[in-house]
This record gives sequence, C-alpha cells and structure tokens, in this order.
Amino acid sequence: KAGVTQTPRYLIKTRGQQVTLSCSPISGHRSVSWYQQTPGQGLQFLFEYFSETQRNKGNFPGRFSGRQFSNSRSEMNVSTLELGDSALYLCASSPGLAGWYNEQFFGPGTRLTVL
Amino acid sequence: EDKVVQSPLSLVVHEGDTVTLNCSYEVTNFRSLLWYKQEKKAPTFLFMLTSSGIEKKSGRLSSILDKKELSSILNITATQTGDSAIYLCAVPSYRGSGNTGKLIFGQGTTLQVKP
Repeated sequence: KAGVTQTPRYLIKTRGQQVTLSCSPISGHRSVSWYQQTPGQGLQFLFEYFSETQRNKGNFPGRFSGRQFSNSRSEMNVSTLELGDSALYLCASSPGLAGWYNEQFFGPGTRLTVL
Repeated sequence: EDKVVQSPLSLVVHEGDTVTLNCSYEVTNFRSLLWYKQEKKAPTFLFMLTSSGIEKKSGRLSSILDKKELSSILNITATQTGDSAIYLCAVPSYRGSGNTGKLIFGQGTTLQVKP
C-alpha cells in the first residue's frame, strides 16, 4: 500500500502571497488531519476532514483553510502569508472511524518558507 | 485546556547508554497515548498505550503508561546512532465518545546518540 504523499515538498513564498498544499491519504482512508510544526510551538493541529466535511478545527486564524475531495485527497490553503507561517506542514491519514482511536499515518511534509 | 508535556527537551548520550524519556498529560476523556519517532520528516508510529495495554516492548524500545500519575515513559536500551531523532508523545482528543481526528502533541525530546 502506498503511503501518504504530500506535494510540493518545498515551497518558498513572500509575505502577502497565498499557498496551496496537497495531501493524498492512504488508499481507503477517509480522514485527513493537518498539522503545523515549528521549532517553538512543536506540532499544532490545524483541522481534520472526513468524507469532505471538516469535523474539527484547531486554534488558527481564518487565513488557514482546507477542503477534502470525494477521493479523500485534501488541500490546505494559507492566504496572506506572514513570516510566522514558515513551518513544516504535515498531513496524516487514518480510516477515520467514529469512536475508538484510529492510528494516524504521516506524510513527509511540505516545508514552507516565507520571505 | 488539554496539554501534553515532555522532558527532557533534549538529550545527548553515547552509544550503549540507556535513556528514559518522559511524557505527562492533562486531558479530558483520556483513552490512549502514542509515541512517535521523527527522524527527517514524517513522524513514524512506535507504540500506543491504553488502559488495557499499559506496557509495550519492541526490541530495545519499551514504554509504560502510568494512569495514576498521568504519565508515560519511553525507554531505549543499548542506544545506537540510528536512534538519534525527535521522540514525540501524543494523546488523541475525544469529544463525547467521538474521535475528533486531533492529536495533542508534546514538544518532543531531541535525542542525539554519539558514537
């Protein structure tokens, strides 16, 4: 089974621009969670999508948004980039079944640098 | 607010040493605790501990959950340079009986094993 893939792997943008990151989950997985990782804050939860619906959202400003398609692929968008948005963005896929915990499998991440 | 705290934040040892990494948590609806290893990019899953599985072992790595003390430890014996990585502790967030798709991470422990 192919793992979680993320594209692009590296991005350099300037302040004020916007960016779209993509995540393809493991085949059969319906849940995609997004995280931001920085040296100061560690891994912070952005949001989770299941069957094209956002089920949960972290404490990030509205500039951070996402969506999920019918094939479970997910995108996240960051508008009006700020220097502080420089980070490693990780997505994780899981079966997403309700109730008990489903293990999350992480992709390699997208390294975003904002200049 | 739910939180997970790891200690120490960084550790330098020599090959052959034994290390103990600590994780404490304060979360509502606790059901499980996970350990991940992050070398380059994607965190890879190590263990999941629950009320019915408070001790796990895999080769030189072992982990114990202490529900009374709200904490867990990860032990690595006979360390090797390949064990150099960031070790992350995480607790899944639940709302009612539902899996929210969110993992609450600790800051991570950066382990460096010198030859």
